[in-house]
Amino acid sequence: AAGVIQSPRHLIKEKRETATLKCYPIPRHDTVYWYQQGPGQDPQFLISFYEKMQSDKGSIPDRFSAQQFSDYHSELNMSSLELGDSALYFCASKPGAAGANSPLHFGNGTRLTVT
Amino acid sequence: DAKTTQPPSMDCAEGRAANLPCNHSTISGNEYVYWYRQIHSQGPQYIIHGLKNNETNEMASLIITEDRKSSTLILPHATLRDTAVYYCIVRVAIDNAGNMLTFGGGTRLMVKP
Repeated sequence: AAGVIQSPRHLIKEKRETATLKCYPIPRHDTVYWYQQGPGQDPQFLISFYEKMQSDKGSIPDRFSAQQFSDYHSELNMSSLELGDSALYFCASKPGAAGANSPLHFGNGTRLTVT
Repeated sequence: DAKTTQPPSMDCAEGRAANLPCNHSTISGNEYVYWYRQIHSQGPQYIIHGLKNNETNEMASLIITEDRKSSTLILPHATLRDTAVYYCIVRVAIDNAGNMLTFGGGTRLMVKP
């Protein structure tokens, strides 16, 4: 079965640079979530989109922005990168209104290293 | 969403059943119980979820007490590949498609040969 695809798998950036992470949800899933997981920590919710509109916002820094496109893929844009942004970034998707209690399905993440 | 409490770690012998408990004493009537696991540095993997009835799938069984204040995830024949952090999460399922999961704590299950 098709899964959530994230790219790139690994990314190395320097401080103050920008990064863009991409997420391709499972086909027919219209809801996308972004999570950040620092070393030794639990995944923390950043932001979510439903039908290309932002639906919830968590602990996402102002330096980060995200959007969902007409084909339902999503991009997380990160600017003025800091060392503390080094983490695993996960994307998850689920059907929206048609599957209110449907579980989220996660991709295998992008590992961002800021040097 | 209701808070959950899980033991921080558990051991299980390979081939035996692993029973992972979760307390969610403040759960409300419209909140589901979800179980996920995370194998080192991989994305969280959905296991099972339920509202009030016991559930079973190819991965595991979920037993929810009648008062819904606790649940147990059962891996019937644990293998070394089941070594992971297991998260019990309660979440309201509503139609506006927000419904993010809040991860906290979890149980680090170590399956030993």
